[in-house]
Amino acid sequence: KAGVTQTPRYLIKTRGQQVTLSCSPISGHRSVSWYQQTPGQGLQFLFEYFSETQRNKGNFPGRFSGRQFSNSRSEMNVSTLELGDSALYLCASSLREGNEQFFGPGTRLTVL
Amino acid sequence: EDQVTQSPEALRLQEGESSSLNCSYTVSGLRGLFWYRQDPGKGPEFLFTLYSAGEEKEKERLKATLTKKESFLHITAPKPEDSATYLCAVQATSWSGGYQKVTFGTGTKLQVIP
Repeated sequence: KAGVTQTPRYLIKTRGQQVTLSCSPISGHRSVSWYQQTPGQGLQFLFEYFSETQRNKGNFPGRFSGRQFSNSRSEMNVSTLELGDSALYLCASSLREGNEQFFGPGTRLTVL
Repeated sequence: EDQVTQSPEALRLQEGESSSLNCSYTVSGLRGLFWYRQDPGKGPEFLFTLYSAGEEKEKERLKATLTKKESFLHITAPKPEDSATYLCAVQATSWSGGYQKVTFGTGTKLQVIP
């Protein structure tokens, strides 16, 4: 069974640009969550989607947004990038809300 | 606000030297506690889910236990390949929406020396 895939794996952007990250969950999983991981803050929850609906949102500014498609694939978008947005962005899928999560390898975003 | 605190932040063990990692939490409406292992440059890997106080789960050299306020990850006779960051996460019912949110601790970085 294929795991969670994330694309791209690495990304370099400059301040002010925007970026879109993609996540394909494990087949059959309907819940997708996004996290930002930095050395200082650890794993910070961004948002969770279930059946194309955002079910939960973390404390991030509106520049961070996401969506989920009918096939459960998800994208997150960050507009007007700032230096502090440099981080590892992780996507996790689960069968349903409340189940254990399976993480992808992450997208390493560097903002210059 | 839900809080998850892991200790110690870092732990260095000799191969074969058993120890425990701690995860203490303050949440309302705990629905589950999860342990993950994360290797450098990779996403976290699921280890265990615990749902109620008194529950225990085992996998190879790892055993996770849960009380009403904390969880322990016991590592028996660790090997160098157990070196990783171990993350604890709690799932609780949100105050406002009834949905379930997950809060991660900052992890314990374990190094096992041969």
